[in-house]
Amino acid sequence: AQSVTQLDSQVPVFEEAPVELRCNYSSSVSVYLFWYVQYPNQGLQLLLKYLSGSTLVKGINGFEAEFNKSQTSFHLRKPSVHISDTAEYFCAVSDGGYGQNFVFGPGTRLSVLP
Amino acid sequence: DGGITQSPKYLFRKEGQNVTLSCEQNLNHDAMYWYRQDPGQGLRLIYYSQIVNDFQKGDIAEGYSVSREKKESFPLTVTSAQKNPTAFYLCASRGTGTGAFFGQGTRLTVV
Repeated sequence: AQSVTQLDSQVPVFEEAPVELRCNYSSSVSVYLFWYVQYPNQGLQLLLKYLSGSTLVKGINGFEAEFNKSQTSFHLRKPSVHISDTAEYFCAVSDGGYGQNFVFGPGTRLSVLP
Repeated sequence: DGGITQSPKYLFRKEGQNVTLSCEQNLNHDAMYWYRQDPGQGLRLIYYSQIVNDFQKGDIAEGYSVSREKKESFPLTVTSAQKNPTAFYLCASRGTGTGAFFGQGTRLTVV
């Protein structure tokens, strides 16, 4: 079974500063990794995904993430944040199957301050 | 344009009533999921379905029921047995090698 840890429940950062949201996972098999963003009262939107290949993955809205197998991490980064990036961010892991092994972390609330 | 649609966006339920939340997708995905989200919390899996006419309980299935008669549709019924149904409900679908695509959610409130 997979599990996901997002160590930071809240991350405040000033506008135009860089940000990193941390995600660590545990799994006994090869995994697919995902980051989602959720704006208030909306569903989740896929930011980026790692399935295979290059460990540096670029997504929408200027976000990127790096898969580190030895550290079992998939941290999300953005070099310069905007007020509009204020949202909840979820990391998720899957074993590639369709079943219950598509697991979300508890989420990180990113607050961008003016 | 492909996507996943949940309706209604807001739903009010009286005590003792059953209500059904709709979820439709035209992405040709085999797998569909229902999650519950409470304020300030992550997602908890209610039910999932990997194929038509088959579905499995998730972590918090008590008080809920589902059906999967068509590939495109995965409705969720919140029954009167669910004692604390007020929450935000999210439906998702997945295809081969993809992440989950989510609907916009239904906010259910007990009045």
